[in-house]
Amino acid sequence: DIQMTQSPSSLSASVGDRVTITCRASQSIRSYLNWFQQKPGKVPKLLIYVASNLHSGVPSRFSGSGSGTDFTLTISSLQPEDFATYYCQQSHVAPYTFGQGTKLQIK
Amino acid sequence: QVHLQQSGPRLVEPSQTLSLTCAISGDSVSSNGASWNWIRQSPSRGLEWLGKTYYRSKWYIEYAPSVMSRASINPDTSKNQFSLQLNPVSPDDTAVYYCVRLTGDGVLDYWGQGTLVTVSS
Repeated sequence: DIQMTQSPSSLSASVGDRVTITCRASQSIRSYLNWFQQKPGKVPKLLIYVASNLHSGVPSRFSGSGSGTDFTLTISSLQPEDFATYYCQQSHVAPYTFGQGTKLQIK
Repeated sequence: QVHLQQSGPRLVEPSQTLSLTCAISGDSVSSNGASWNWIRQSPSRGLEWLGKTYYRSKWYIEYAPSVMSRASINPDTSKNQFSLQLNPVSPDDTAVYYCVRLTGDGVLDYWGQGTLVTVSS
């Protein structure tokens, strides 16, 4: 199985901050990397697909980059509604695997 | 707009069978471009992909190694839905279960509402 490792596991930041979350795959996944946001008790919400494509309806302050094994999710200016847990996920080869999550908290 | 509606028991006894169904609207279980997946989430395991079914001139089903010996995923074209069975279950299978569409580009774009299944006597 391909292991997905996110860092950091948790992060405290303030409204207006620029935040970057990284995701590393244990082997190349080309660009088959998606990012999700999840709030407590809710279904994961797709933010970024195929590494750098913004899903419909997602604010432009979210962006993704990377290919191969190293990827990043950046939020350019944190808003109150962005405090949540973020997951990366690879769709290059089954079994499709997720990172362990990054919990973004208010400082 | 694709909508996935899950149904099934929320409480299952240990060693019994967990059964969930996912009804699809706005797409077809026989779609040539998508696959239909089951994913679960628990505090101990995180988000875990369980398996998928898809049609490409014939039906294919794939399972995660972690559940391969216990899982069964089946499409139902007459009702445009697909199902998950897991047998036998243990308390470790307690989780929120999701059905999810995966596009040909590898995007998990539409999710069911989630079903918290508790395995307990």
